[in-house]
Amino acid sequence: DAGVTQSPTHLIKTRGQQVTLRCSPKSGHDTVSWYQQALGQGPQFIFQYYEEEERQRGNFPDRFSGHQFPNYSSELNVNALLLGDSALYLCASSLGQGAHTEAFFGQGTRLTVV
Amino acid sequence: LAKTTQPISMDSYEGQEVNITCSHNNIATNDYITWYQQFPSQGPRFIIQGYKTKVTNEVASLFIPADRKSSTLSLPRVSLSDTAVYYCLVTLMNTGFQKLVFGTGTRLLVSP
Repeated sequence: DAGVTQSPTHLIKTRGQQVTLRCSPKSGHDTVSWYQQALGQGPQFIFQYYEEEERQRGNFPDRFSGHQFPNYSSELNVNALLLGDSALYLCASSLGQGAHTEAFFGQGTRLTVV
Repeated sequence: LAKTTQPISMDSYEGQEVNITCSHNNIATNDYITWYQQFPSQGPRFIIQGYKTKVTNEVASLFIPADRKSSTLSLPRVSLSDTAVYYCLVTLMNTGFQKLVFGTGTRLLVSP
């Protein structure tokens, strides 16, 4: 059973560019959340998708947007990249409703903005 | 969700038992306590979750006193591979629709 997979694993972009990160959730999971983790900090919640809609959002600007597809996979898009967007971007999947609700994380995408 | 406080770092030696305590004074009735482990350049990994008293799995034990204002993650006989950051979180019951609120965690260093 494949867990949460993210692509690419590493990415280097230039300030002002746009980037798209991808996530495939664990089999059977229908909810995808995205987190940003700066060096030495804990992950910070960006937003969450369920049934192809953004369900809740953290304190991130509109430059951060996302999408969920009918197969539950998801994308994170960041426009007008800033140096401060350099971080590890983590995708977590969970089952929205039910008793076993722990989130499973992918390995992350390391984004470097130069 | 209640804020959690845990030590920034801890040191231990192989074979010792490690106890990491977390305080969550404002925990609500519907909240669980959940611990995650994170290795460098990897995503956090769920370790254990509990509501009250004691929970044990193949990796760790979680002790929660009656007032639930604190909890202790216990790692028996640690090895070098247990060197990681451990996060204590307060999470909602019975729902995957939640944003996990991570602090800075506890950096555990296990030495030979």
